[in-house]
Parts: sequence; structure tokens; C-alpha cells
Amino acid sequence: DIQMTQSPSSLSASVGDRVTITCRASQSISSYLNWYLQKPGKAPKLLIYAASTLQSGVPSRFSGSESGTDFTLTISSLQPEDFGTYYCQQSYSNYLTFGGGTKVDIK
Amino acid sequence: QVQLVQSGAEVKKPGASVKVSCKTSGYTFTSYGVNWVRQAPGQGLEWMGWISGYNDNTNYAQKLQGRVTMTTDTSTSTAYMDLRSLRSDDTAVYYCARSSSSSWLYGMDVWGQGTTVTVSS
Repeated sequence: DIQMTQSPSSLSASVGDRVTITCRASQSISSYLNWYLQKPGKAPKLLIYAASTLQSGVPSRFSGSESGTDFTLTISSLQPEDFGTYYCQQSYSNYLTFGGGTKVDIK
Repeated sequence: QVQLVQSGAEVKKPGASVKVSCKTSGYTFTSYGVNWVRQAPGQGLEWMGWISGYNDNTNYAQKLQGRVTMTTDTSTSTAYMDLRSLRSDDTAVYYCARSSSSSWLYGMDVWGQGTTVTVSS
């Protein structure tokens, strides 16, 4: 299976901060990388698919980029409603895999 | 609007089976696939498998091969996940999630509310 490694595992940031989360694939996955946000007790929500395409209805402060097997989720100006756990997920292989998650707390 | 509504919580003994349903509405069922994802208490997300709403083609996670079966009923736009030989480490919240296209390539855009399955003697 393709392994997805996220970093950091957790972070704490202030409202208005620029936040960056990284996801590294164990092999090439082209651009088949998706990002989700999960709030406690809720189902995950799709934010970005195909590495950089914003899902409909997702605020433009979220963006995604890629460089080889490294993928980045950026929140340009963190808002209070952005707390939760962020997951990356590869869909290159027909055996999908998620990263371990990055928990974001608001200071 | 697009909705996925799952069946209720289950408590099972080790060695038993569980079948979770996912009733969909608001879209053409046969034009999309359905994924199943689970989350053990305090843990991350684990993909279990995918089934096509068009032709019942499936992909299962290798660690669950032989224990999991995913099916659909197009007459009711419902997907099902059957997990056999339950163990304590199968205790988790189980989610169904629509693929955002007919394949699994572009993420899971609509999710069910989750079904808690507890395996305990």
C-alpha cells in the first residue's frame, strides 16, 4: 500500500495566522491527493481534491499545492471555525490510504 | 440535496457479523461510487473499500479481504457493508461516503452520519 505521512501531527495557531500542513507519499501518486477536515464527533468534509482543486463551497483561504511526492495544504488566514483534524488521502492506487492526521487547535 | 443516511448503532460479540446500510438520496445512484471508511476510537481514518453504483465492481482494503463484502441495491439506492468474524479491534465508527465521480479518483464529497459498531463479549 502507498503510505501517506503527514506533518506536523498537531499544531496550535492564532486567528489570522498562515498555516501549512504537509503530506508526503511513499511513491509517486501524480496529483491524486485529497484533503479533508474532520471536526470532533462529525464526519470528514472534503476541502480539496486533485491536489489543488477547491471543493465547491470551501472558502478560498484554503489552497493546495504539490511538489513531486510532497503535498501542502495552506490556510492563508486561520479562522476560528478551522479547528479540527486535517487528513490527506491518496486516490492514485485503487487501494486508498489516508495520512495520520494533523490536529489544529486555535490559540 | 444529496444525503447518505446510515443504519443505527450495533453491539456485536466477537466472531459475529454486522451489516451496515447507507441509504442515499438526491442524486443518480448509478453515476457514483460509494466508499466505506472506519475510525477506531481516538484514531485516524481507515479506508475499507469502494463499490461502483453502476456495475457493483469493488475494491477492498487488503487487510480486510475475505472478511468484508460490499453490495448495493439500486432499486432503493442503498449501499451495504458486511463485516464478518468480528474482533474487538473492529470497534469503530463506520462511515459511508460518496465518491465525487464514477470512480474513486477525486475524493469523497458527501458522507453519512456514521454508525458505531461495538464488538464486546
